[in-house]
Amino acid sequence: EPEVTQTPSHQVTQMGQEVILRCVPISNHLYFYWYRQILGQKVEFLVSFYNNEISEKSEIFDDQFSVERPDGSNFTLKIRSTKLEDSAMYFCASSVRGGDGYTFGSGTRLTVV
Amino acid sequence: KQEVTQIPAALSVPEGENLVLNCSFTDSAIYNLQWFRQDPGKGLTSLLLIQSSQREQTSGRLNASLDKSSGRSTLYIAASQPGDSATYLCALSNNAGNMLTFGGGTRLMVKP
Repeated sequence: EPEVTQTPSHQVTQMGQEVILRCVPISNHLYFYWYRQILGQKVEFLVSFYNNEISEKSEIFDDQFSVERPDGSNFTLKIRSTKLEDSAMYFCASSVRGGDGYTFGSGTRLTVV
Repeated sequence: KQEVTQIPAALSVPEGENLVLNCSFTDSAIYNLQWFRQDPGKGLTSLLLIQSSQREQTSGRLNASLDKSSGRSTLYIAASQPGDSATYLCALSNNAGNMLTFGGGTRLMVKP
């Protein structure tokens, strides 16, 4: 069964450093998403991406965050200057069409120290 | 703003029991609702997707129902097994292609 692949599975970074989280969505999917889950809290929406542009973003997705689809397969989330409170599990997801079910990756656990 | 609540937050049952997990939402104008399973420290595995025009979906021992008018969905698990132990999340979207709003999950433990 097709999967959404995320790398790395774990990342530890110093506060203030830039990190890039990578995702390979399912190949025929058109909608891409990032979510995060702080330990013990709900899964929260960050951003959705369609047709090479952001279609929706949450209040969490401020100027420190950016997304990119640099080629036909990868979808990345960049955090420019990490803060302690950015420590969370970050999930990438994709769907064929908006309104179809989402397929999630296994996540990247980001720890900011 | 859509709010999603799941009750109970945790549930422990002996193996073999049939059980029901509840999900309630405040805005009935939903597009679809999806149930996920999350194992500790892992990603989200999709279990069932219900479109707004549907009343229920079934997959194996799982059955999910949707009642938009009352703002509720239930996930029924038949003949529970220890391997069903996980956190179950419901999430819904209000428009096609839009964000999912998640509940806080129900942490299920099925004891042998």
